[in-house]
Amino acid sequence: ILNVEQSPQSLHVQEGDSTNFTCSFPSSNFYALHWYRWETAKSPEALFVMTLNGDEKKKGRISATLNTKEGYSYLYIKGSQPEDSATYLCASRMTTDSWGKLQFGAGTQVVVTP
Amino acid sequence: EPEVTQTPSHQVTQMGQEVILRCVPISNHLYFYWYRQILGQKVEFLVSFYNNEISEKSEIFDDQFSVERPDGSNFTLKIRSTKLEDSAMYFCASQRSNTGELFFGEGSRLTVL
Repeated sequence: ILNVEQSPQSLHVQEGDSTNFTCSFPSSNFYALHWYRWETAKSPEALFVMTLNGDEKKKGRISATLNTKEGYSYLYIKGSQPEDSATYLCASRMTTDSWGKLQFGAGTQVVVTP
Repeated sequence: EPEVTQTPSHQVTQMGQEVILRCVPISNHLYFYWYRQILGQKVEFLVSFYNNEISEKSEIFDDQFSVERPDGSNFTLKIRSTKLEDSAMYFCASQRSNTGELFFGEGSRLTVL
């Protein structure tokens, strides 16, 4: 994999249901994987920065896992609420790049319906 | 909560005109960035700035682009002679440590006619 790819592009979830989606990134020269939550007309907001293979992070109902050997990360939303509706961006930083140079995926747009 | 602020929120300009986009990063942050998103495309890195100089720039960041931190608080992106393809949402971001998350502004939408 040469680029950061996210799937699916969008998903619709019923309130209360749990969901997850994927970020794939280049595994060679990996340094860190960032997840951001981006609501329309607002700024992207950091959820997690992950560096270690097997790492698992949690913030409220949202959690993420990281597999650096195979180059993927999952983001999970448990018991989705309408306020979880947003685009979720992942971004990879490589060891060969400067500190804040991130390569972004296209995002997964999540719509939670009541 | 401290935040990154950007002005203007939207600017419309004629092709060939100079544009300056302004950003006020979070005050104790040391690393500053500009990213942009062309409509329908991924967010892409433009430039990183630390210790009053450019750390890295992308191929997009050619001689028409420049960045400056003139007074220790503002961080500006200048496009000398805008092209149609410069139309995009431009995001400023700052970072306290070079391993942490980026804090983004809400973006400045640039429309070049």
